[in-house]
Amino acid sequence: KAGVTQTPRYLIKTRGQQVTLSCSPISGHRSVSWYQQTPGQGLQFLFEYFSETQRNKGNFPGRFSGRQFSNSRSEMNVSTLELGDSALYLCASSLQTTDTQYFGPGTRLTVL
Amino acid sequence: GQNIDQPTEMTATEGAIVQINCTYQTSGFNGLFWYQQHAGEAPTFLSYNVLDGLEEKGRFSSFLSRSKGYSYLLLKELQMKDSASYLCAVRDRLTGGGNKLTFGTGTQLKVEL
Repeated sequence: KAGVTQTPRYLIKTRGQQVTLSCSPISGHRSVSWYQQTPGQGLQFLFEYFSETQRNKGNFPGRFSGRQFSNSRSEMNVSTLELGDSALYLCASSLQTTDTQYFGPGTRLTVL
Repeated sequence: GQNIDQPTEMTATEGAIVQINCTYQTSGFNGLFWYQQHAGEAPTFLSYNVLDGLEEKGRFSSFLSRSKGYSYLLLKELQMKDSASYLCAVRDRLTGGGNKLTFGTGTQLKVEL
């Protein structure tokens, strides 16, 4: 069974731009969570989706948004990029929200 | 909210045993996970505990004491490839429904010859 896939793997943007990241969960998994990982803060929870509904949201500004489609694929969007948004963005999927999360390889975003 | 503490760094010798501790404070504990993350890679799932006691999986074991808010990951017969960051994560049951997974900052383990 294929694992979680994320595209693109690497991205370079400039301040003020916006970016969309994509995540395809493991087949059959309906829950998708997004995390931001930086050296100083570690893994920070962004949001969780289940059956196209956002179930939980972390403490991030409104510039960070996401959605989930009927096939469980998910996208996250960051608008008006700031230098501090440079990070590894990880997506994780699970069967249900209470099950073990399995991570994708991540998207490395660099904001110049 | 949650507070998860684990040591920042540890060093151990190949073939030895190492124990990585994790303490946490949470209001709606609903499970504890350990993940391994090699540099530049995604975290990979190692173990899950929701009841008190020891869970063993080959060279890896994880222990949980809910009353003490304490867990440890035990790695036996250390190999060089075990050099990685080990993340403790606590799942919290939210009052409004749903669950939230919060990660510690990770313990960087270095295995030396």
